[in-house]
Amino acid sequence: DGGITQSPKYLFRKEGQNVTLSCEQNLNHDAMYWYRQDPGQGLRLIYYSQIVNDFQKGDIAEGYSVSREKKESFPLTVTSAQKNPTAFYLCASSIFYGYTFGSGTRLTVV
Amino acid sequence: EDKVVQSPLSLVVHEGDTVTLNCSYEVTNFRSLLWYKQEKKAPTFLFMLTSSGIEKKSGRLSSILDKKELFSILNITATQTGDSAVYLCAVEPQGAQKLVFGQGTRLTINP
Repeated sequence: DGGITQSPKYLFRKEGQNVTLSCEQNLNHDAMYWYRQDPGQGLRLIYYSQIVNDFQKGDIAEGYSVSREKKESFPLTVTSAQKNPTAFYLCASSIFYGYTFGSGTRLTVV
Repeated sequence: EDKVVQSPLSLVVHEGDTVTLNCSYEVTNFRSLLWYKQEKKAPTFLFMLTSSGIEKKSGRLSSILDKKELFSILNITATQTGDSAVYLCAVEPQGAQKLVFGQGTRLTINP
């Protein structure tokens, strides 16, 4: 079955450590996205990529980095520069109309 | 700056009630408005609206867009406990290929 796989589902990290969240899709979608969700704030766009080897900053890119070396993969690194990284992270992909979301990764920094 | 505002932020009703969720937006070059239901993790697609005044319907759920007033509503009739979720409204600007989300409405249906 086609879909988006995010891993891990839950992640705990110590403050000051970088951490990478995985997002893989087998839908053959060109565009991929990373959103952050905090309680009461909906989804906010971190980074997006419309083609391989190209990506753009979203509304809250500071403290995050991404790469798009393969069409299927769009990993997100949460760096130590992100002041408040504890959140729920959602990956999505799209082609023309229609967005598909992964099941998310809940990151907790202790 | 593109903006989507949903109201109410939270709503608690009894099973069988009808609810209306609101979504207003300010976006340059509107392309489409989408509604999603989020129960635990991944948002699931409900409706996409591009034309004003045309109601989209799926079972007990329906939605309509008013492009003049920059507004959409999502109606749920005869609510069931399984309708409890966060409902997200998002707008896609023309040429942007990205979604701008509202804060979401947390709907709780009590038996």
